[in-house]
Amino acid sequence: NAGVTQTPKFRVLKTGQSMTLLCAQDMNHEYMYWYRQDPGMGLRLIHYSVGEGTTAKGEVPDGYNVSRLKKQNFLLGLESAAPSQTSVYFCASSWWGEQFFGPGTRLTVL
Amino acid sequence: GIQVEQSPPDLILQEGANSTLRCNFSDSVNNLQWFHQNPWGQLINLFYIPSGTKQNGRLSATTVATERYSLLYISSSQTTDSGVYFCAVPAIQGAQKLVFGQGTRLTINP
Repeated sequence: NAGVTQTPKFRVLKTGQSMTLLCAQDMNHEYMYWYRQDPGMGLRLIHYSVGEGTTAKGEVPDGYNVSRLKKQNFLLGLESAAPSQTSVYFCASSWWGEQFFGPGTRLTVL
Repeated sequence: GIQVEQSPPDLILQEGANSTLRCNFSDSVNNLQWFHQNPWGQLINLFYIPSGTKQNGRLSATTVATERYSLLYISSSQTTDSGVYFCAVPAIQGAQKLVFGQGTRLTINP
């Protein structure tokens, strides 16, 4: 039981490049989330999903897109990366109540 | 939206000391989570505690939902307790998405 996994762990992009972060969970959870964490701050919700095929905006959705084609996967896309998107990205999942987090992806945009 | 405030922002203690971390929230909640972010950035679930008191080894937590606060107690601190402690509550009553506090940075010196 791997829990929540994220790919990749680290990535460096140039401004304007695109990339996709992958989150996978093996706990059969309905809900999945993408957060970002900036230095000295708590986590802020980017997008979330309440089930396969659904997505919704969180607190800071601009510049990101998401897809939930399979229940176990939640993808976060950056179409045109900007330096302001340099951050650590965490994925989480839950069934009801308690959320469980992946190990994070450290993204740097130059 | 709901506001979450944690105090103190920083705490430096010697190994063996006890500590109390506080989380205040501005509206009624039906769940609350405490997390420990270790120096490697990993988010570890400590407690899922909508109300009442729970204990896990040297750590315990109490949530008084009617008074809109939660406390995390750490007894006989060890250097491995160092890191940032976050509390998080639902953005709105019954919602799954979480709002995080800014965290308390705990440093335990040997």
